[in-house]
Amino acid sequence: EPEVTQTPSHQVTQMGQEVILRCVPISNHLYFYWYRQILGQKVEFLVSFYNNEISEKSEIFDDQFSVERPDGSNFTLKIRSTKLEDSAMYFCASSPRDRGEKLFFGSGTQLSVL
Amino acid sequence: GNSVTQMEGPVTLSEEAFLTINCTYTATGYPSLFWYVQYPGEGLQLLLKATKADDKGSNKGFEATYRKETTSFHLEKGSVQVSDSAVYFCALSDHGTDKLIFGTGTRLQVFP
Repeated sequence: EPEVTQTPSHQVTQMGQEVILRCVPISNHLYFYWYRQILGQKVEFLVSFYNNEISEKSEIFDDQFSVERPDGSNFTLKIRSTKLEDSAMYFCASSPRDRGEKLFFGSGTQLSVL
Repeated sequence: GNSVTQMEGPVTLSEEAFLTINCTYTATGYPSLFWYVQYPGEGLQLLLKATKADDKGSNKGFEATYRKETTSFHLEKGSVQVSDSAVYFCALSDHGTDKLIFGTGTRLQVFP
């Protein structure tokens, strides 16, 4: 069965550094998402992306965050200047359709900001 | 705003025991409700869903009924297996929005 792939599985970075989290969604999907889960807290929506632009974003997704689909297969989340509170598990997801239809999630990237 | 509340875990059961994981929600309008499951080392997978009141979602022996009067979507299984050990997430989505709103997840541990 096709799956969403995220790399790396674990990334450690210093506060203030830029980090790029990478995702390869399922190839015929059209909608792409990033979620995150801070340890012990809820899984939170960050952003959705369709047709090469952001379709919805949460309050968390401020100017420090950006997303890109640079080459038609990868979907990346960039954090420009990481803060300690950005430490979380980041999940990428894709969907063939939108509006709460079945999302396929990757296994996540655990980001640790020191 | 919209939110989902799940019971704290971990839930520890012996094989073949009955499982209930409670989930309640707060939402305006009529959301769709979901249960996702995350097995160790894997991504979240959709387990079941219900899109309107009184609908029952079911899959792999798991069931959940959309109860509008109690704003609940409790997950049940009559006889759990060791292979059901995972983290279970309740979620909702508002119609007309892209995002899912998740609970904190409940870890289930099933022992032989």
